[in-house]
Amino acid sequence: TQLLEQSPQFLSIQEGENLTVYCNSSSVFSSLQWYRQEPGEGPVLLVTVVTGGEVKKLKRLTFQFGDARKDSSLHITAAQTGDTGLYLCAGARSGTSYGKLTFGQGTILTVHP
Amino acid sequence: EAGVTQSPTHLIKTRGQQATLRCSPISGHTSVYWYQQALGLGLQFLLWYDEGEERNRGNFPPRFSGRQFPNYSSELNVNALELEDSALYLCASNGGEVRQFFGPGTRLTVL
Repeated sequence: TQLLEQSPQFLSIQEGENLTVYCNSSSVFSSLQWYRQEPGEGPVLLVTVVTGGEVKKLKRLTFQFGDARKDSSLHITAAQTGDTGLYLCAGARSGTSYGKLTFGQGTILTVHP
Repeated sequence: EAGVTQSPTHLIKTRGQQATLRCSPISGHTSVYWYQQALGLGLQFLLWYDEGEERNRGNFPPRFSGRQFPNYSSELNVNALELEDSALYLCASNGGEVRQFFGPGTRLTVL
């Protein structure tokens, strides 16, 4: 059962365009993380959001956590070829699921020059 | 500071064989997590070890097992390999915070 639905699965855009990746769930998460993974490497953390409604900005990347802590979005402004990669959202929960991250299926972003 | 290391980088086995994958966490981290990543997409949680104990397990058959050593390094063992076990196996570590630090992975190919 995929608890985190990530969309779109594939995204191919031109340099300079804007894009948004969505991460949705019917479950509440105590925090949500966004990772970026390049070929041959492990995922690298971009941001962690913990408060419902929270918005975090990392240069051209804007991350938002839904008010109910069930969904999140990643918006990239003026995409660059260096943004190409696999973007993964991951939710963390408390209680018996503590320590276990639930990952979305990922979004493969390709930015063309 | 050295990151999470994994060995081997690549592993080729045939069906029915056993595979052993190794992970060394970042110094000071006591938790090790194992994930399976197939087709270069989402990660499936396999196992979580902390202080030498298995703390949580994903929805995988018992032939996926592992252990954590006193120095916090970890092994993942996969018995009776099947073709669909071919994947990138990622190890991550942390020291109590939510953020996990990932290694580069071991690419397992089952022929």
